Amino acid sequence: QKEVEQNSGPLSVPEGAIASLNCTYSDRGSQSFFWYRQYSGKSPELIMSIYSNGDKEDGRFTAQLNKASQYVSLLIRDSQPSDSATYLCAVSKDSNYQLIWGAGTKLIIKP
Amino acid sequence: NAGVTQTPKFRILKIGQSMTLQCAQDMNHNYMYWYRQDPGMGLKLIYYSVGAGITDKGEVPNGYNVSRSTTEDFPLRLELAAPSQTSVYFCASRIAGGSTDTQYFGPGTRLTVL
Repeated sequence: QKEVEQNSGPLSVPEGAIASLNCTYSDRGSQSFFWYRQYSGKSPELIMSIYSNGDKEDGRFTAQLNKASQYVSLLIRDSQPSDSATYLCAVSKDSNYQLIWGAGTKLIIKP
Repeated sequence: NAGVTQTPKFRILKIGQSMTLQCAQDMNHNYMYWYRQDPGMGLKLIYYSVGAGITDKGEVPNGYNVSRSTTEDFPLRLELAAPSQTSVYFCASRIAGGSTDTQYFGPGTRLTVL
């Protein structure tokens, strides 16, 4: 079992719809959870971080964390073509020095 | 404020050659990382540093070495390049802990070993 798992996609969503991205992790001791966006040929950039169970909203983005079920998700409302990218889930290890990364989900927003 | 800079952007090496990938940050971050990213894959940690003079191995350290003599610089050395080291290399620095925990990435170095 991979430490951090994501559906590789591609996930195709119509413009204006809600895109839902999921990530599961294996280390129950993980405390910090991150979603990064990576455009093709570019470096990753932070979208959202979440540390406690529940929802965290920032503009069109909502991160959801459920530690009991060991999953974290990212919702993108009113999806735009500019949201088309690969979304990487990252989870801290116990020491918090390192992050473990999923392979990413490719999201395509269709106009 | 340049953030995280990496040089070179592109490089082609022959098998057995060596090179150093440069990384520098001007944000005074203690934590720095080197990752490689193969096509369609996530990031794999090569080495990391929690401060000047302190480095540790990540998931895939074989064939690489690092040093951290200053807070700003974190070079990655490739010895005896092999085709398996063909990848995109990202350096990152990090504000760790709390609600501002963020890794800032450099633009990457695309390395091909032939």
